[in-house]
Amino acid sequence: DAGITQSPRHKVTETGTPVTLRCHQTENHRYMYWYRQDPGHGLRLIHYSYGVKDTDKGEVSDGYSVSRSKTEDFLLTLESATSSQTSVYFCAITPRDGTGELFFGEGSRLTVL
Amino acid sequence: QQQVKQSPQSLIVQKGGISIINCAYENTAFDYFPWYQQFPGKGPALLIAIRPDVSEKKEGRFTISFNKSAKQFSLHIMDSQPGDSATYFCAASDSGGYNKLIFGAGTRLAVHP
Repeated sequence: DAGITQSPRHKVTETGTPVTLRCHQTENHRYMYWYRQDPGHGLRLIHYSYGVKDTDKGEVSDGYSVSRSKTEDFLLTLESATSSQTSVYFCAITPRDGTGELFFGEGSRLTVL
Repeated sequence: QQQVKQSPQSLIVQKGGISIINCAYENTAFDYFPWYQQFPGKGPALLIAIRPDVSEKKEGRFTISFNKSAKQFSLHIMDSQPGDSATYFCAASDSGGYNKLIFGAGTRLAVHP
């Protein structure tokens, strides 16, 4: 078990409100990722991090920001949530550097009304 | 643009049959091709993966076939069981790209008893 905890697991919010999702890991993995999962699209990379304060954009980063001030925490923020951001969000880590493998958390289901 | 195309979207197989899911990719820099299995309410979990130096990899009832010239790879599930009913995702990444996996859209497999 790579020790990933996502919070909250479920959230309902209204359009225009800010939302922050948290990914916490306990094993000092260097790489962390945020994906969103939507029907018909599989999983799409939002942002990723390759170290403390080192982050970069993925393929669907518009409307999202991230921060990583500590190795163990990777935060995903929706500054002003929109209905198109209703999705299931997954955090992932690379359990073994150099393998290419990603290990995913259990997901956070976000509904924007 | 969809860099990894997966088919079919859904698949129904009888218990004991063979399930086959196909993927095609475009980026010739990809050098890691995993398959993930996802059960409802859970995060995707690595099932099996292959690198382009081999044409086939088998783990138990699961086999990846890889065709580098055609830029295609497939997952075969032999002796399919009802417990294999899940959503399957193919993915690809290149080793120079921070393990950023690009996923296919997914295949929902139902194995009927």
